[in-house]
Amino acid sequence: GDSVTQMEGPVTLSEEAFLTINCTYTATGYPSLFWYVQYPGEGLQLLLKATKADDKGSNKGFEATYRKETTSFHLEKGSVQVSDSAVYFCALSPGNQFYFGTGTSLTVIP
Amino acid sequence: SQTIHQWPATLVQPVGSPLSLECTVEGTSNPNLYWYRQAAGRGLQLLFYSVGIGQISSEVPQNLSASRPQDRQFILSSKKLLLSDSGFYLCAWSKDRGENYGYTFGSGTRLTVV
Repeated sequence: GDSVTQMEGPVTLSEEAFLTINCTYTATGYPSLFWYVQYPGEGLQLLLKATKADDKGSNKGFEATYRKETTSFHLEKGSVQVSDSAVYFCALSPGNQFYFGTGTSLTVIP
Repeated sequence: SQTIHQWPATLVQPVGSPLSLECTVEGTSNPNLYWYRQAAGRGLQLLFYSVGIGQISSEVPQNLSASRPQDRQFILSSKKLLLSDSGFYLCAWSKDRGENYGYTFGSGTRLTVV
């Protein structure tokens, strides 16, 4: 069945470091792909999305490219800030349901 | 614009007591509605979803139930809470099944059963 696998955390980075959080998916069709962010004690917020192959989603300095050939949607940011500390969820939607990854906790230290 | 409201934000309830969590959506009609639970340190578990008034689908058998008495209202209930019901409960809505716009989540309810 359809599923999402994201890298295990927690991830700890120094401020201004480069961030990559890996996400790979399994799907029979052509799903839409999403990244959500959850700040402590809050609900999930949509960070970015891509609805077809080779699309690049971007928001708040974060980027992810829908790679059909490698079935991946890795999240990247060139220079993280302390305020980026949160849990990040990769998700896919093939059109009939939503599938979330298990989340990756990111802590950015000054 | 569309907004989603979820309350209460936190709740401490004794084992065996009833539960009612409410979620409402404004600014749209006929939304798809979802209840998720997030246990400490774990991912999201879909509990219930609804595509219309009175239409509820349950993803896992459990001590909880859901109802949709109005188009934009979704309620999560229990007659008798268990310790294992503790967690962070999230309501969400979508225009479709999520493939074009994703889900929009409420701010969550932290439930502690003591």
